[in-house]
Parts: sequence; structure tokens; C-alpha cells
Amino acid sequence: GQQVMQIPQYQHVQEGEDFTTYCNSSTTLSNIQWYKQRPGGHPVFLIQLVKSGEVKKQKRLTFQFGEAKKNSSLHITATQTTDVGTYFCAVYSGAGSYQLTFGKGTKLSVIP
Amino acid sequence: EAQVTQNPRYLITVTGKKLTVTCSQNMNHEYMSWYRQDPGLGLRQIYYSMNVEVTDKGDVPEGYKVSRKEKRNFPLILESPSPNQTSLYFCASRGYPGTATGYTFGSGTRLTVV
Repeated sequence: GQQVMQIPQYQHVQEGEDFTTYCNSSTTLSNIQWYKQRPGGHPVFLIQLVKSGEVKKQKRLTFQFGEAKKNSSLHITATQTTDVGTYFCAVYSGAGSYQLTFGKGTKLSVIP
Repeated sequence: EAQVTQNPRYLITVTGKKLTVTCSQNMNHEYMSWYRQDPGLGLRQIYYSMNVEVTDKGDVPEGYKVSRKEKRNFPLILESPSPNQTSLYFCASRGYPGTATGYTFGSGTRLTVV
């Protein structure tokens, strides 16, 4: 399947600090999805980005898709303890593909 | 409630004893998939199915089988489990690509093979 690199692997932040995770591909992506997995839970779909340069917001979360559609980021403003978990990006092998490949994820810890 | 249901949630078995993990979805989704999750390796796709009677291998299919006889069910079969198949397994489903929705995941099955 499509390969995607996600960094960092771990991030520890003080509550109230910002957090960003990045997803990078060597090839152009048709779209990218982001998921969150709480400790002991299952992945939950957050958002899908499709257009070059797209920026979407969900409350304190900001998602960006690069102009070249080869990278994406998830930024959390003023983290809270409820943000704890692992954040994954995921990409399809190609347009119309059913095969979804996940990045290895960024595990976020928030220190109260 | 729209959901993907996996059973069992936890399973301990012995090497070589055939087992089946069931997965069922109530959203009339065409596409279903199985993933395994291991520390440091993330989520890796085992098998996926585009519709009834249509299945294909993912990235790590060795040692697994699947079937899709009905749209709602997609069981994962381990004919002869081995310790390296100890893992957390997730079933997921979605509608056709082109929609903005992502996958809905089940709650997971934690399998230990001794």
C-alpha cells in the first residue's frame, strides 16, 4: 500500500501548550484522513482532506493539506487532558482505492 | 446506533487451535477491512472486502483467512494460530470512496496465542 511517514512518534506537552503532528509522503496523495485513538480505545475518524492547500478546523484542532498534496499536519491549540491519545494519518493507495494505509501514529501525553 | 461489532473482545488460545473472530456492521457499508495493531508498528491491514464475495489481501495477510458471504458480516479466521499473531485486531467498515466519511472501527479483539 501507499507509504506515509508520521512524526514525531511521541510528544509530551504541558496542558495548555500547543501540539502538532506531521504526515509526509514521497508521492502525491489523492486525499488524507486523520484518526484519534484514546488509550484502550479504537480509532475514531476525525476528518478527510482532499484539496491542495486545504485547511479545516474542528474547535481547537486545525488540519492542513500541503500545496503539493504530499504532506499534512494536525495542530491542537492549548491542549487539554482530553486530547490524550494517539493520532494517526491514513491514506488510500490511489483515487477510488479501498486500501487504506495508516501512519505509525503520534502518541500525545498531556501533563496536567 | 450505527456500529461495528466484534466478538470476542478478549481471547486466549493455544498454538494451532483454529479460531474465528466475528465482525458485523449495521450501516449497510460495502467495504470492510481487518487491521492488526502492534506496538511500534501501528495499524496494518490484513484483508479487505469491497463487497459480498469480493475480498483482497492487505499488507500482512499470511496466516489469516476471511469470507464475505453477507454484506454485514466479515469474519477473520486463523486456521492455525501462532504466537506471532498475538495482537490487537480491529474490524472497520465504510461506504464507497468518494464520500467524506472515514472508517468506523469496532472496539477491538485482543488475541493472545500461547
